[in-house]
Amino acid sequence: QSALTQPASVSGSPGQSITISCTGTSSDVGAYNHVSWYQQHPGKAPKLMISDVSNRPSGVSNRFSGSKSGNTASLTISGLQVEDEADYYCSSYTTSSTRVFGGGTKLTVL
Amino acid sequence: QVQLVQSGAEVKKPGSSVKVSCKASGGTFSNYGINWVRQAPGQGLEWMGGIIPIFGTANNAQKFQGRVTISTDESTRTAYMELTSLRSEDTAVYYCAREARSYYDSRGFSDGFDIWGQGTMVTVSS
Repeated sequence: QSALTQPASVSGSPGQSITISCTGTSSDVGAYNHVSWYQQHPGKAPKLMISDVSNRPSGVSNRFSGSKSGNTASLTISGLQVEDEADYYCSSYTTSSTRVFGGGTKLTVL
Repeated sequence: QVQLVQSGAEVKKPGSSVKVSCKASGGTFSNYGINWVRQAPGQGLEWMGGIIPIFGTANNAQKFQGRVTISTDESTRTAYMELTSLRSEDTAVYYCAREARSYYDSRGFSDGFDIWGQGTMVTVSS
């Protein structure tokens, strides 16, 4: 199972919106509506931000939203804040009942 | 509030094995899947495998087939991940993570991991 494809880095200014893409195949992202997104600050454990493509867990800001089209899922962060600067990872459930992560995207808030 | 507390850092020789534990406190243990994810220094997240304690059967990533054993002890609410034939490339932080929904949740399966352990650093060095 190959890792999902994410851009290595994205950047934006405070208040702007950014979108991070996550491209897989018909065996993972395209197969089910089971894509999650995680935020990870340096030295910390990942934090679940979005599950099942677009479901936001309790306590996660509504500035975070998820979507999917075909084999590509996306995470959008609106109203960027300095504290959003972190690494972001997508993950998908697969047709083999396994999980696969993306390579990660470093978000810089300028 | 459910917490996952992992065992401490390990230093291992190449060719040896390591067993990392993940103890759950609070909430229900048996009905939620527990997964193991690792992160090599400066690298991304890598899913290793997962298990639902009530069933006791693990599903592992193909990359680790034959080298990883994931198990649970319901009496102590603890999950374990054992990795054998260690090599330098196995140097990483190993996390356990709980699935967000119980297997019996009427809303059905959810793929997210909402509770994570603090991570266990495993260093493989001669």
